[in-house]
Amino acid sequence: GAVVSQHPSWVICKSGTSVKIECRSLDFQATTMFWYRQFPKQSLMLMATSNEGSKATYEQGVEKDKFLINHASLTLSTLTVTSAHPEDSSFYICSASVGGRDRVGYEQYFGPGTRLTVT
Amino acid sequence: AQKVTQAQTEISVVEKEDVTLDCVYETRDTTYYLFWYKQPPSGELVFLIRRNSFDEQNEISGRYSWNFQKSTSSFNFTITASQVVDSAVYFCALPGRRALTFGSGTRLQVQP
Repeated sequence: GAVVSQHPSWVICKSGTSVKIECRSLDFQATTMFWYRQFPKQSLMLMATSNEGSKATYEQGVEKDKFLINHASLTLSTLTVTSAHPEDSSFYICSASVGGRDRVGYEQYFGPGTRLTVT
Repeated sequence: AQKVTQAQTEISVVEKEDVTLDCVYETRDTTYYLFWYKQPPSGELVFLIRRNSFDEQNEISGRYSWNFQKSTSSFNFTITASQVVDSAVYFCALPGRRALTFGSGTRLQVQP
């Protein structure tokens, strides 16, 4: 159980275009979904946290207008990279949480990631 | 603020050697969880363990074992008799205010 899918798994786009990445929880309802970005040989950095039906909470330094997050349902969150540039090329990973927002401990289930290359 | 430090950037061992990956963390929470994840070349994160700070007993799962020491804020991970398939980046993580805080990762290369 607790499977999270991402689509597409990889995408190549031209500079200036927009790309949408979907994150779905397949067999559970996710209270919260998270978007991470990982540059080559670096760690995962949280970009934003989204809860169904409300606006996403972005981490400091992440441009809200560039990385649009829509959490339309308890099983789907989308990340749209608008006007993509080569520096946006990265590995984007989503995760979904079944627990509450309790800071003490909860589990996150990670998607397989989406590799974005902007040419 | 939560912080996770993995001082070993890269480790290279020969197959069948034992290897320990270090993780040191900082938190103001009195109760917390700690995680280890494996990220193979495919990129997908593989969950290895979640540990409650209440429980300081060492845990063993096959060739994997974890040593949690609250007194030194460390949660080290040992692979016994390493195999080539163990080659990956390993992350230690701690829940933060909103999501998991990851260490910088340790890249493990197991040579045949």
